[in-house]
Amino acid sequence: AQSVTQLDSQVPVFEEAPVELRCNYSSSVSVYLFWYVQYPNQGLQLLLKYLSGSTLVKGINGFEAEFNKSQTSFHLRKPSVHISDTAEYFCAVTGADSNYQLIWGAGTKLIIKP
Amino acid sequence: GAGVSQTPSNKVTEKGKYVELRCDPISGHTALYWYRQSLGQGPEFLIYFQGTGAADDSGLPNDRFFAVRPEGSVSTLKIQRTERGDSAVYLCASSLTLDTGELFFGEGSRLTVL
Repeated sequence: AQSVTQLDSQVPVFEEAPVELRCNYSSSVSVYLFWYVQYPNQGLQLLLKYLSGSTLVKGINGFEAEFNKSQTSFHLRKPSVHISDTAEYFCAVTGADSNYQLIWGAGTKLIIKP
Repeated sequence: GAGVSQTPSNKVTEKGKYVELRCDPISGHTALYWYRQSLGQGPEFLIYFQGTGAADDSGLPNDRFFAVRPEGSVSTLKIQRTERGDSAVYLCASSLTLDTGELFFGEGSRLTVL
């Protein structure tokens, strides 16, 4: 069965510093990968997705993620964070193993320090 | 607005009572999903509809939970004989297609069972 692991429950980082949020998945078949963001008191919204093609995917608000099939990872990065990036970030995977239902990680809270 | 709307935003009830949570998806979205999110966890799949029919209800935890979508638009999640363990945020999402994983979420209904 598919599963998603987000290794860090919280990541504190100074404003304007780079950040990487880690995501690993388990699956025996091809997958589609996603990062969703949940800002305080708001619903989840799609940040970026990998379906096929280039393994480097660019999303909204300057975020990007790289699909690494050999390491079964899909880490999220931003070169310089802003206070407005304070949110919880969820990695999710779907594919034949999950009957095309999204399987979610537990989330990582990004805490921006001024 | 044009987004997914969920009501009520907050519901406090007593153990044993019956609860209904409503979701109004984005117009034209044929797929509708219900998830449950507990503190510190990612969304947990409950059920999804394609049109009026429940295409996959494998995530419903037991027979106290039921959901309907009679006209292929608005959906209601029904919980009978509520228990304290049912306390969570119930999320609704809709999508235009089934296979790309791009879901549009409402802000959720927070259920507290005393």
